[in-house]
Amino acid sequence: KQEVTQIPAALSVPEGENLVLNCSFTDSAIYNLQWFRQDPGKGLTSLLLIQSSQREQTSGRLNASLDKSSGRSTLYIAASQPGDSATYLCAVTDNAGGTSYGKLTFGQGTILTVHP
Amino acid sequence: SAVISQKPSRDICQRGTSLTIQCQVDSQVTMMFWYRQQPGQSLTLIATANQGSEATYESGFVIDKFPISRPNLTFSTLTVSNMSPEDSSIYLCSKSSGDTQYFGPGTRLTVL
Repeated sequence: KQEVTQIPAALSVPEGENLVLNCSFTDSAIYNLQWFRQDPGKGLTSLLLIQSSQREQTSGRLNASLDKSSGRSTLYIAASQPGDSATYLCAVTDNAGGTSYGKLTFGQGTILTVHP
Repeated sequence: SAVISQKPSRDICQRGTSLTIQCQVDSQVTMMFWYRQQPGQSLTLIATANQGSEATYESGFVIDKFPISRPNLTFSTLTVSNMSPEDSSIYLCSKSSGDTQYFGPGTRLTVL
């Protein structure tokens, strides 16, 4: 059974710092990995999607990497801002021949606080 | 991106009652998904709502407790039946667009 772990559980940084969030998964046979942001009362926002054949994806100040063989992904946030404060979730879709379509296994999340 | 709406956004219910949560998506999809987020926990998939067939439930979730309807390609409901305080959670519906998963804003349920 796939298990996803995120470290650290919480992180507090001053504005402007670059930071890294970590995600690990136990079964490397994944189809893809997604990073989400969760804001209270607003559900989840998809940030980046990395296919199993890819090594990284970038969007603005965000960069996500994937090392499938070692079961790890990192989310790098450059020049953090107070508006980045949220819970960041990592989720994987297993490669189960199509039967796992839409079925994500989530980590517990990292609560990020960026203070001015 | 995708637009997914849920009703109600939150509710407080009494033990033993049932609540039906509605989910509307912005485009037709064959499958919609229902997730649960218990307090302090991450998201867990409850079931896949298939249009034109019975919902598919994940291990630990049963139809009698979480009946699902899927009357058309843009709408689904999840009912939480015979509620207990352990059912207090955020319930989120979701759809796929390509390989990206999109989520509704969630329904925050508190059971007294």
